[in-house]
Amino acid sequence: EFVLTQSPGTLSLSPGERATLSCRASQTISSNFLAWYQQKPGQAPRLLIYGASRRASGIPDRFSGSGSGTHFTLTISRLEPDDFAVYYCQQYGNSPEWTFGQGTKVEV
Amino acid sequence: QMQLVESGGGVVQPGGSLRLSCGASGFRFRSYGIHWVRQAPGKGLDWVAFIWHDGDKKSYPDSVKGRFNITRDNSANTVFLQMSRLKAEDTAVYYCAKASGMSNGYMDVWGKGTTVTVSS
Repeated sequence: EFVLTQSPGTLSLSPGERATLSCRASQTISSNFLAWYQQKPGQAPRLLIYGASRRASGIPDRFSGSGSGTHFTLTISRLEPDDFAVYYCQQYGNSPEWTFGQGTKVEV
Repeated sequence: QMQLVESGGGVVQPGGSLRLSCGASGFRFRSYGIHWVRQAPGKGLDWVAFIWHDGDKKSYPDSVKGRFNITRDNSANTVFLQMSRLKAEDTAVYYCAKASGMSNGYMDVWGKGTTVTVSS
């Protein structure tokens, strides 16, 4: 079974600060097929990053992804008020099985 | 503008059945795979089904295999999720999401979701 473990569970920061979110996989993710999503309360998830480091269309450059193999990171360089949300990593390199991490909540 | 709209959610008794629909617009529907992802109240995201672009292949996690069936009608730009033998733990918001490719990929477009409640 493919497992993604996100840490920390909750990140308490202030606007303007840097956020670093971790996603660790139980197995190597093929071709770095790792995506990050943002979800705000009552809304659907929104794609931020795919291929571990490629920003989706319309995503501000303060969001960046890095990593390879089994360890990946989402960094928000300077938090804006709109960035406080839950973030999920997801692997799509182990098709036909798709897996999400349990999420990291970024709160004020 | 690419869009997905889910419908068909509601309240159903344990052991019952429900059929969800996902209507698509704004992209070449027949060229992309489609996922269903659910989110139980206060919980994280949980992938539940995927169908290849042509409908020939389908995939499910063990938690729903044998109970859920995903199908698609490319002439109507619609994907369906037939859910049977429903359990209380199937209670969730169900989202459909477009894959970035025909048979795999990240989820680049999401619907707003439809709520399924399994309760007596």
